[in-house]
Amino acid sequence: GQQVMQIPQYQHVQEGEDFTTYCNSSTTLSNIQWYKQRPGGHPVFLIQLVKSGEVKKQKRLTFQFGEAKKNSSLHITATQTTDVGTYFCAGPKDGGSQGNLIFGKGTKLSVKP
Amino acid sequence: EAEVAQSPRYKITEKSQAVAFWCDPISGHATLYWYRQILGQGPELLVQFQDESVVDDSQLPKDRFSAERLKGVDSTLKIQPAELGDSAMYLCASSPGRGLLYEQYFGPGTRLTVT
Repeated sequence: GQQVMQIPQYQHVQEGEDFTTYCNSSTTLSNIQWYKQRPGGHPVFLIQLVKSGEVKKQKRLTFQFGEAKKNSSLHITATQTTDVGTYFCAGPKDGGSQGNLIFGKGTKLSVKP
Repeated sequence: EAEVAQSPRYKITEKSQAVAFWCDPISGHATLYWYRQILGQGPELLVQFQDESVVDDSQLPKDRFSAERLKGVDSTLKIQPAELGDSAMYLCASSPGRGLLYEQYFGPGTRLTVT
């Protein structure tokens, strides 16, 4: 069945280092969303990418959607302790006709001050 | 800022008992989702409502789980009987519409422990 995979599963960085998480889909996606879940919290929407090759920036966060629309990445420049949490990518389930999502397992980021 | 409300926040129950979770989406949001999140995993969709109608319940274990959204506003998810493997976080989310381009707003979740 349809799968959304993320690597790495865990990433430990020193504050100030960069961080990247990668998301790969078994199917071509019409769009992809990214969410952040702080420890003990709930997922919070970060961004949506729609176009092939799209790049969007939010301050220190850079999101990319692959040319083939089957992969995506999130890059954080100069991590801060406030970046701690699990980052999930999510793609439309079964072509997305119903608007529901399949989430990856997430990448858990820890930042050492 | 409007938020999705869920209750209870925590629930401990013995196996074979019945449990129910409640969700009140953001006002005006027509689409409501129930997810199950096992520790260390991403949210897994259980059921999706558009107004009062079920759009997708293909992943809902219908022998023990039921969900309703009678008036198209708040929703209840029930498990009967609960099993040890049901221990998880149950998240409710809502979005303004059903299309591909809508973000989902999640509630704080109900942490269920089955003993």
